[in-house]
Amino acid sequence: GPKVLQIPSHQIIDMGQMVTLNCDPVSNHLYFYWYKQILGQQMEFLVNFYNGKVMEKSKLFKDQFSVERPDGSYFTLKIQPTALEDSAVYFCASSLGRGGNTLYFGEGSRLIVV
Amino acid sequence: GDSVTQTEGQVALSEEDFLTIHCNYSASGYPALFWYVQYPGEGPQFLFRASRDKEKGSSRGFEATYNKETTSFHLQKASVQESDSAVYYCALGYSNTDKVVFGTGTRLQVSP
Repeated sequence: GPKVLQIPSHQIIDMGQMVTLNCDPVSNHLYFYWYKQILGQQMEFLVNFYNGKVMEKSKLFKDQFSVERPDGSYFTLKIQPTALEDSAVYFCASSLGRGGNTLYFGEGSRLIVV
Repeated sequence: GDSVTQTEGQVALSEEDFLTIHCNYSASGYPALFWYVQYPGEGPQFLFRASRDKEKGSSRGFEATYNKETTSFHLQKASVQESDSAVYYCALGYSNTDKVVFGTGTRLQVSP
């Protein structure tokens, strides 16, 4: 099936530093999402993105978070500065259309903030 | 707001047992309903969906029927295997909005 690629698969970073998580979505998809999953817990919605804009974000999407997809390249999640509570697996997803369409997820980027 | 409730946090079964994972939703409109499965160390994968009342979705032996009256989309499988051990997420979404709402997930553990 369609593949979403996430880079890096895991990263360890010092608290206060910046991190960028990259997502290569399915090629013809237009809607992009980030979800956060703390180990052993449920998946939680962070943000969705369409046509160069954030469409909706949750309370977990703090001011230190930002997303962009410059020139149709990677869809990125940037955290600056990082905090200990940002340690989690971040899943990127993409879909062809709006919320009634299937989401395709990547394998996740495991972020450890120390 | 819209929500999805999965009452079982964990389900433990033996191989060849019958599986039911309950999913109820609360929606302001007429959403599409989904089941996703997440195997250990992987991202969630689409299992199947249903878009209208009484429609049955199915894949890999799993099935669920959209029930608008009871606002439910319960996942069932007649005979589970150890390889079905995973976390199962029920979700809803609308064709005219961007949001997809996930339930809290149900961890299925199948013993040989």
